[in-house]
Amino acid sequence: DIVLTQSPVTLSLSPGERATLSCRASQSVRRYLAWYQQKAGQAPRLLIYDASTRATGIPARFSGSGSGTDFTLTISSLEPEDFAVYYCQQRDTSITFGQGTRLEIK
Amino acid sequence: QVQLVQSGAEVKKPGASVKVSCKASGYSFTSYYVHWFRQAPGEGLEWMGQINPSGGSPNYAQKFRGRVALTAETSTSTVYMEVNGLRSEDTAIYLCARDVGVVPGRDYFDHWGQGTLVTVSS
Repeated sequence: DIVLTQSPVTLSLSPGERATLSCRASQSVRRYLAWYQQKAGQAPRLLIYDASTRATGIPARFSGSGSGTDFTLTISSLEPEDFAVYYCQQRDTSITFGQGTRLEIK
Repeated sequence: QVQLVQSGAEVKKPGASVKVSCKASGYSFTSYYVHWFRQAPGEGLEWMGQINPSGGSPNYAQKFRGRVALTAETSTSTVYMEVNGLRSEDTAIYLCARDVGVVPGRDYFDHWGQGTLVTVSS
């Protein structure tokens, strides 16, 4: 299985700051990578797919980049509702998820 | 609007089976794959398998082949996931989700069920 390693495990920032989350794959996944946001007690929400395409209804402050083995999710200016756990997911070979990055309020 | 509504929480003994349902509405049921995942308490997401509601064999993650069965009932727009031989480590929230693209799908997931907690305990 392709292993996705997310960093950092926890990111502490304040509203208005820029967040940069990383996802590294154990082998190339080309651009077949997505990002999800999950809040406590809720199902995941698709943010980005194919590395950089925003899903329907996702605000422009969320952006994705990368290809091959290294990917980044950027939130340009954090809103209070953005504090949550973020997962990356690859679909190049089967389907696997990273272990998540917890974005918490500083 | 697109909705996936799952059945309620279950408590099972080790060795038993559980069957969870996922009822779809608001879209053409046979046009999109439905996938299943699980999330152990405090853990990440694990993909279990997918089914094409219009027919064909389901596709399972290697780890779950032989122990999980996915079926679809087009008359009620419902997908079922059954897990056999339950163990304590199967305690998790089980989630269904719709593929973002029409068949053959994109293997990204844009609409999710609310989740079903399955607790395995003697």
